Amino acid sequence: AQSVTQLDSQVPVFEEAPVELRCNYSSSVSVYLFWYVQYPNQGLQLLLKYLSGSTLVKGINGFEAEFNKSQTSFHLRKPSVHISDTAEYFCAVTPGGGYQKVTFGTGTKLQVIP
Amino acid sequence: DGGITQSPKYLFRKEGQNVTLSCEQNLNHDAMYWYRQDPGQGLRLIYYSQIVNDFQKGDIAEGYSVSREKKESFPLTVTSAQKNPTAFYLCASSDPTQGIYGYTFGSGTRLTVV
Repeated sequence: AQSVTQLDSQVPVFEEAPVELRCNYSSSVSVYLFWYVQYPNQGLQLLLKYLSGSTLVKGINGFEAEFNKSQTSFHLRKPSVHISDTAEYFCAVTPGGGYQKVTFGTGTKLQVIP
Repeated sequence: DGGITQSPKYLFRKEGQNVTLSCEQNLNHDAMYWYRQDPGQGLRLIYYSQIVNDFQKGDIAEGYSVSREKKESFPLTVTSAQKNPTAFYLCASSDPTQGIYGYTFGSGTRLTVV
């Protein structure tokens, strides 16, 4: 079984500052990793995913994440945040390939301060 | 545009009532999922279906039932046996056979017990 830990439940950051949202996972097999964003009272939207290949993954809205196998981490970063980035962000993991159960983290609320 | 439609957006249930949440997709995805979201707990899997006429229990299936009679439809019934049904319910789909490992989510149904 796999698990996901998002260490920060809330992250306040000033507008135009950089941000990093942390995600660590545990799994005994190789994994696929995802970041999703959720705006209030809406469903989740896929930001980016790592399946294989380059460990630096670029997604939508200027976000990127780096897969670090030795640290079992998949931290999400953005060099300069905007007010519109205020949302909740979820990290998720699944064993690679086929129909596998996806495990979600508990989420990190990003609050961008003007 | 392809996507997932969940209805209704808001639903109120009286004690002892069964209610059904609708989920329809036009993405031609094989797999569909139901998640429950509670504040601070992330997403928890209720049921999932990999193919028509087949579905499996997730982590918190007690008090819920589903059907998958058509590829595009995966309704969830919250029965009176579910003691704490107030939550935000999310439907999702994917299709690993098409290399689609990330989920597409609907916009959710907020269920409240009155």
